Amino acid sequence: QVQLVQSGAEMKKPGASVKVSCKASGYTLTGYYLHWVRQAPGQGFEWMGWLNPNSGATNYAQNFQGRVTMTSDTSINTAYMELRRLTSDDTAIYYCARVEAILGWFDPWGQGTQVTVSS
Amino acid sequence: DIQMTQSPSSLSASVGDRVSIPCQASQDISNFLNWYQKKPGRAPKLLIYDASNLATGVPLRFSGSGSGTYFNFTISSLQPEDLATYFCQQYHDLPITFGLGTRLEIK
Repeated sequence: QVQLVQSGAEMKKPGASVKVSCKASGYTLTGYYLHWVRQAPGQGFEWMGWLNPNSGATNYAQNFQGRVTMTSDTSINTAYMELRRLTSDDTAIYYCARVEAILGWFDPWGQGTQVTVSS
Repeated sequence: DIQMTQSPSSLSASVGDRVSIPCQASQDISNFLNWYQKKPGRAPKLLIYDASNLATGVPLRFSGSGSGTYFNFTISSLQPEDLATYFCQQYHDLPITFGLGTRLEIK
């Protein structure tokens, strides 16, 4: 079945970077867009941006411009999201999610990756 | 940015009840509105896409309606396994935005 499996929890110090992976199974990564969304504790979901794994094109939310990079390695059907210059405000669960077109509904979602930023 | 408002933040109902959860957009988003279910420790699950279309494999007791700025998500007969948070998402404009969710509790 179609599934997105993300990498494990990360603990980072302020100022560091984190790279979260999202491996697709049951479909070819290049056939769909891949979005990243996060949810901080007690907060709603926040959209971070999208990646077209086929072309490498990206579109990042303004809040993350200059600090996030979304990439993919199509040979292993895996997408990545790297977030730099982490602060405690970046403590959140990060999700990848598949979308059929540039914009649409998220289906499925990855299981989520907890990123904790603490000194 | 388009603001998505969900109120109330929590709702309590009994098994078998008909439950409706509203979602309001700050501007016209046509029918570019999706509904998800979130259970603790689990990934969100798509229930309704484009305001009123049932996602594959989702039970028929779930439904969605509305267009423009006002939308409704309905469970026709609440089941114990429906204990979860339900949230809406718009994709009419970037950035994609989400409602804060309505936590559904079973009485």
